[in-house]
Amino acid sequence: EVQLVESGGGLVQPGGSLRLSCAASGFRLSNYWMSWVRQAPGRGLECVATITEEGSNKYHVDSVKGRFTISRDTANNSLYLQMNSLRAEDTAVYYCAGPTHAYWGQGTPVTVSS
Amino acid sequence: QAGLTQPPSVSKDLRQTATLTCTGNSNNVGNQGAVWLQQHQGHPPKSLSFRNNNRPSGISERFSASRSGNTASLTITGLQPEDEADYYCSAWDTRLNAWVFGGGTRLTVL
Repeated sequence: EVQLVESGGGLVQPGGSLRLSCAASGFRLSNYWMSWVRQAPGRGLECVATITEEGSNKYHVDSVKGRFTISRDTANNSLYLQMNSLRAEDTAVYYCAGPTHAYWGQGTPVTVSS
Repeated sequence: QAGLTQPPSVSKDLRQTATLTCTGNSNNVGNQGAVWLQQHQGHPPKSLSFRNNNRPSGISERFSASRSGNTASLTITGLQPEDEADYYCSAWDTRLNAWVFGGGTRLTVL
């Protein structure tokens, strides 16, 4: 059974950092494109970062470029999102998703507030 | 970044058929096809269709996806109360190098 489990969210002050993790089971994460998708309270879905198979290419949406970095660890079959210089507008539930949005985790909430 | 266009809301009667639309352009829907997601309040999204319009295992045959040019459609037949949810389309945009989403359609089953 395929499962994605996110962790690492929480309350952080503006300018702070968080590292989100997504542990995959049931498939080899490194064989597929994977993404981090966020959903602000009461809003729609926004993909903030995507990594291709084997991590050869990484794409980040303009609003997070230079602040967020997607990565993966093949040995741990995990996906990560390093988030720096966090802003209030980054407040959202962050989902790990893939391949091609076929599977989703339960999400981890991130709140940026002083 | 530019997204896909979905009607904000659709209302249909129980047991009727609803067709939800998603309009993009030749860089996304027209090129790569779209996926459809269902999200109930307080839950993560769930995949309803792949880019080739096939259904994941476990998804009811009442849900069918199609595409014509730059517009993708999701048809739900025999509407049930549990179909009341938000529906999102998404496609990979080859110009933006990003997954783009529609704003979502809230389906109400009367």
